[in-house]
Amino acid sequence: QVTLKESGPALVKPTETLTLTCVFTGFSLSTTGMRVSWIRQPPGKGLEWLARIDWNDDKFYGTSLKTRLTISKDTSRNQVVLTMTNMDPVDTATYYCARTPLAARGSFDIWGQGTAVTVSA
Amino acid sequence: DILLTQSPNSLSASIGDRVTITCRASQTISVYLNWYQQKPGKSPKLLIFAASTLQSGVPSRFSGSGSETDFALTITGLQPEDFASYYCQQSFTSRATFGQGTKLEIK
Repeated sequence: QVTLKESGPALVKPTETLTLTCVFTGFSLSTTGMRVSWIRQPPGKGLEWLARIDWNDDKFYGTSLKTRLTISKDTSRNQVVLTMTNMDPVDTATYYCARTPLAARGSFDIWGQGTAVTVSA
Repeated sequence: DILLTQSPNSLSASIGDRVTITCRASQTISVYLNWYQQKPGKSPKLLIFAASTLQSGVPSRFSGSGSETDFALTITGLQPEDFASYYCQQSFTSRATFGQGTKLEIK
């Protein structure tokens, strides 16, 4: 069974750095073609793709946030970590990680439950 | 970045209706277009990938069509559990983007 689960602080202060961890089971990020992305959703709003890391350690970032984001993986521990610097109240959102296997043609076939992050002093 | 524009933003329909949500891309994306359903407080769920391929386990009343810049998600015979928000997403480029979403409400 494939699962992903996000974790991180529920509350961060403005200007702080957010670190989120995605722990997954049922697949390996060393499998050819496998990818894991981070996606966020502000309260009552739509989805925004943030970043992606691939099985070969290629990394991609959303245009508007790329200077603030770093994505990394620990294949042996089945984890993907996202850091976002200089947090602002507009970054308040639910943050999801999601899987893209090669056969999914770039779609996100399995999502985590999400972790809610509030940015407030 | 590729902009995806969904239409309409919201839609009211009745049980048993046939509804269509469209998604237009700002440039050609072949068939690299995917559709998701999201219910309040839940994670998005993949319905359709590669424009028209039904994800395993998704009811056959959902169907997708289109290519290049114009795509559609059709639900034939609305069920109570289909009232939700729907998002399109392009995977043509390395930087994925989503449509703004369509909220399907019961009439």
